[in-house]
Amino acid sequence: GAVVSQHPSWVICKSGTSVKIECRSLDFQATTMFWYRQFPKQSLMLMATSNEGSKATYEQGVEKDKFLINHASLTLSTLTVTSAHPEDSSFYICSARRETEAFFGQGTRLTVV
Amino acid sequence: QKEVEQDPGPLSVPEGAIVSLNCTYSNSAFQYFMWYRQYSRKGPELLMYTYSSGNKEDGRFTAQVDKSSKYISLFIRDSQPSDSATYLCAMRGGNNDMRFGAGTRLTVKP
Repeated sequence: GAVVSQHPSWVICKSGTSVKIECRSLDFQATTMFWYRQFPKQSLMLMATSNEGSKATYEQGVEKDKFLINHASLTLSTLTVTSAHPEDSSFYICSARRETEAFFGQGTRLTVV
Repeated sequence: QKEVEQDPGPLSVPEGAIVSLNCTYSNSAFQYFMWYRQYSRKGPELLMYTYSSGNKEDGRFTAQVDKSSKYISLFIRDSQPSDSATYLCAMRGGNNDMRFGAGTRLTVKP
């Protein structure tokens, strides 16, 4: 099956610093990738849709200047959490669609201290 | 009203039981219906995928979609402790927007 690789799987950073999360589609090209955030015991919440070669589309309430998305190639999208704060601590998951099926990365647990 | 409603559980069953997980939805434009399994601290993995109404079977798993009732189900036969996870229903229309249920936490006890 299709594989989506996300890195790192966990990261701890100091408040005020920036963290970059990578999402790669390993065996297929993904023109569109999605970034989700999941708080404990809650479902996935779509943050933004990442389109290769163009600007990302952010969901209402998600700060585009805080969550920078770069989809530089057909196999790589990155999410950078800028000036991270403790309330940004969460589980971030990327997804890429191959035809009609969506495949998810392993997720990144971000803890901001 | 949420677009997708799913009972968060938790649901606890003995090993070997038949598990029934359900979601209801309100958007009649949804055409693609998925069930994902998510282990603790992992990303969701696709279990079943169904287009429009009908049944689909894969091993011990059966997915059912009833578009007239806006109701989807996932059945797990002969449940195993390794099935213990959170199960998320997901659905979308013809565009990119995917909507998830809250997830049902399942524990299968040996």
